Amino acid sequence: GQNIDQPTEMTATEGAIVQINCTYQTSGFNGLFWYQQHAGEAPTFLSYNVLDGLEEKGRFSSFLSRSKGYSYLLLKELQMKDSASYLCATRGYAGNMLTFGGGTRLMVKP
Amino acid sequence: EAQVTQNPRYLITVTGKKLTVTCSQNMNHEYMSWYRQDPGLGLRQIYYSMNVEVTDKGDVPEGYKVSRKEKRNFPLILESPSPNQTSLYFCASSLSAAESSYNEQFFGPGTRLTVL
Repeated sequence: GQNIDQPTEMTATEGAIVQINCTYQTSGFNGLFWYQQHAGEAPTFLSYNVLDGLEEKGRFSSFLSRSKGYSYLLLKELQMKDSASYLCATRGYAGNMLTFGGGTRLMVKP
Repeated sequence: EAQVTQNPRYLITVTGKKLTVTCSQNMNHEYMSWYRQDPGLGLRQIYYSMNVEVTDKGDVPEGYKVSRKEKRNFPLILESPSPNQTSLYFCASSLSAAESSYNEQFFGPGTRLTVL
């Protein structure tokens, strides 16, 4: 089975940096995804990690440590529009099945 | 425009009245999937399909049916809806079910279902 933990809520200030952590325990691991979801909208893809290390994409970076079952999403130069839920999801070996954590609701304040 | 569409977007129904939520994608994707999203529980997979005529149960398949007769469509059927199926439903698709690439899933806009 799969178990994914991430904080329920976080608050940060516009222009700052925030790190959202995700820990997972899986019976088979084949990659970790981060999605962004604004209230009432569909999740949209942010990043994918399958090997250890940091993947950078503009203001967003994602890190993975497979030995520790740990990932984080780093958001730099926060903007008000970054207020959203951030979903961590692992993929197993059965096709393209994703298992999602409960999501972290990020509130960016002026 | 490449997209996943779902209909209806909102539905209020009563217990036991059969309903179908349609899902269609125009990206020629092989893989399609249905999720439900509930507060505190996150997204949970209901059913998925790796290609035409191939469907499999996800984590919470009870009370649902699906079919994949054409590549672009993947309807979700609730034969006898119950109040515990009140939820936000998302359809998603990806290029393939291959495990060798990242294969991001594209999500539809969601269907908010209320069963009274």
